[in-house]
Amino acid sequence: QSALTQPASVSGSPGQSITISCTGTTSDIGTWNFVSWYQLHPGKAPKLVIYEGSQRPSGVSSRFSGSKSGNTASLTISGLQAEDEADYFCCSYAGSRTLLFGGGTKLTVL
Amino acid sequence: EVQLVQSGAEVKKPGESLRISCQGSGYDFTTYWIAWVRQMPGKGLEWMGRTDPKDSYATYSPSFEGRVTISADKSISTAYLQWSSLKASDSAKYYCALWFGGSRFDSWGQGTLVTVSP
Repeated sequence: QSALTQPASVSGSPGQSITISCTGTTSDIGTWNFVSWYQLHPGKAPKLVIYEGSQRPSGVSSRFSGSKSGNTASLTISGLQAEDEADYFCCSYAGSRTLLFGGGTKLTVL
Repeated sequence: EVQLVQSGAEVKKPGESLRISCQGSGYDFTTYWIAWVRQMPGKGLEWMGRTDPKDSYATYSPSFEGRVTISADKSISTAYLQWSSLKASDSAKYYCALWFGGSRFDSWGQGTLVTVSP
């Protein structure tokens, strides 16, 4: 099983929108609607921002949204804020009670 | 409040054994599986495996099968990740997380940094 593919970095200015892609295969993202996204600030524990492809946990800003098309999932952050600068990881169920993470994307708010 | 509190940083030599822990509080410890996730320096997250705290049954990522042992002791609401013989390549930060199903990890421990060096 290979890691899911994410761009190494994305950037945007405050107020703009950015989208981070996460590409898998028919064995994971393409089959299961269990994609989640995690935000990691340096030195802090990961924080769930999207689960089951497009669901937002309680307390997560509505600026975060998720979607899926075929074997690719996407995380969109609208109205970028300085506090959004972090690493973002996607994660997909891959069957047989196994999971795959993406390699991570560093978001820079310019 | 649901909390996972992990044991502190460890510095070990290659070949040594190690067990790190993750204690849950604020919820019924047997309700959710606990997973372990590795983050090597400057790298991404890797799912290692999980345990069902009801009976300590564990399953592993093929990448970690045979290299680590995951277990849980429900009497003290604690999950464990252990190595019998550490390698330098095991140096990483290890997180425990509550697996709510699918790929949903709602709560995470603060992470345990493991350094393996001669």
